[in-house]
Amino acid sequence: DVKVTQSSRYLVKRTGEKVFLECVQDMDHENMFWYRQDPGLGLRLIYFSYDVKMKEKGDIPEGYSVSREKKERFSLILESASTNQTSMYLCASSLIQLAAPNQETQYFGPGTRLLVL
Amino acid sequence: EDQVTQSPEALRLQEGESSSLNCSYTVSGLRGLFWYRQDPGKGPEFLFTLYSAGEEKEKERLKATLTKKESFLHITAPKPEDSATYLCARQGAQKLVFGQGTRLTINP
Repeated sequence: DVKVTQSSRYLVKRTGEKVFLECVQDMDHENMFWYRQDPGLGLRLIYFSYDVKMKEKGDIPEGYSVSREKKERFSLILESASTNQTSMYLCASSLIQLAAPNQETQYFGPGTRLLVL
Repeated sequence: EDQVTQSPEALRLQEGESSSLNCSYTVSGLRGLFWYRQDPGKGPEFLFTLYSAGEEKEKERLKATLTKKESFLHITAPKPEDSATYLCARQGAQKLVFGQGTRLTINP
């Protein structure tokens, strides 16, 4: 079974704080993703990574950065948290399938609900 | 870019009342179509991957089907524990494109 874990289920931070969200997967997946999910807006991709030390911007990267120092771990960093970053943050991973590149299933973690006051 | 639209936004059924959820997209072509189930406050749980038109997959009371322009998630004789939001997503360039989801409620 694929397992994606996230460091916290709930987090409360103050405006201006630096926030780290950690994600770990145990299935040796190459691809890792960070999304945020908001009512009425659905899932939006923040950043993704295809390999260690590699990162790509998603649809809404502003205000966020990421780090991937090890294959199994992908961190999302809010450099200076703001109230509009209050959201549910979801991490996902997938395996590169060279024979079927359009069918790479993403597996999600349980989510971190972040409240910025 | 591909757009994914799910309908209805919300669906309320009685226990045992079968129905279907729809997921349509704007760009045709051979790409993965994924269905997920999401319970409140939790991450999406993978259900199915479909790829070729005509493909069908089943899991318990759920059956997913795929045509060139849309996918259906059929739910047969649902139970209250099937209540959840069902998300579909289609493989785009380097990322998944998600629909807004259908919130399904099954009343006992």
